[in-house]
Amino acid sequence: QLQLQESGPGLVKPSETLSLTCTVSGGSISSSSYYWGWIRQPPGKGLEWIGSIYYSGSTYYNPSLKSRVTISVDTSKNQFSLKLSSVTAADTAVYYCASIYDSSGYAAFDIWGQGTMVTVSS
Amino acid sequence: VIWMTQSPSLLSASTGDRVTISCRMSQGISSYLAWYQQKPGKAPELLIYAASTLQSGVPSRFSGSGSGTDFTLTISCLQSEDFATYYCQQYYSFPITFGQGTRLEIK
Repeated sequence: QLQLQESGPGLVKPSETLSLTCTVSGGSISSSSYYWGWIRQPPGKGLEWIGSIYYSGSTYYNPSLKSRVTISVDTSKNQFSLKLSSVTAADTAVYYCASIYDSSGYAAFDIWGQGTMVTVSS
Repeated sequence: VIWMTQSPSLLSASTGDRVTISCRMSQGISSYLAWYQQKPGKAPELLIYAASTLQSGVPSRFSGSGSGTDFTLTISCLQSEDFATYYCQQYYSFPITFGQGTRLEIK
């Protein structure tokens, strides 16, 4: 059974770069059947898609964040990562990683990590 | 960008009730729609994909319908564990977008 787990600092200073990693277990991140995604949820608010990546490195980003976001994959570690630069308090949120069981990326998020809270504050 | 209008934002109901939640798109998305349930402090869980296909393990009291621009999630007989927040999501085109959420509370 596929499982995803987010990890990274829980506190980031304004203007710095937020860095998170999602470790995939119970399956291979190099599977041609999956895309992998990041979604976030500010406290008390709704869900916002950040971006998605294929094992080959092909990516889709939310235009609202595109200038600050980089998503990458490390097949040797079975992980994919999120970097969000120049963070502000508005980037404070629970960050989720999730899998998309589709080789095109056009499908629902079927498995989610538990989420990790990231607070932007000095 | 495809905008989504989910309604109502708050729904009060009792155990045993039948409830419906609506999701309307700013443009047609065929059946590229999913529904999620989220409980406090937990990650969302996929209930329905392709507008009407039940995810494995999801109780049959949940059902989805619609295509194009108008979609509905129905819970036929509310159980205590169903009180949660529900989100719709379109994956017809990037950027992927979510509805604003519907909080289902006990009346």
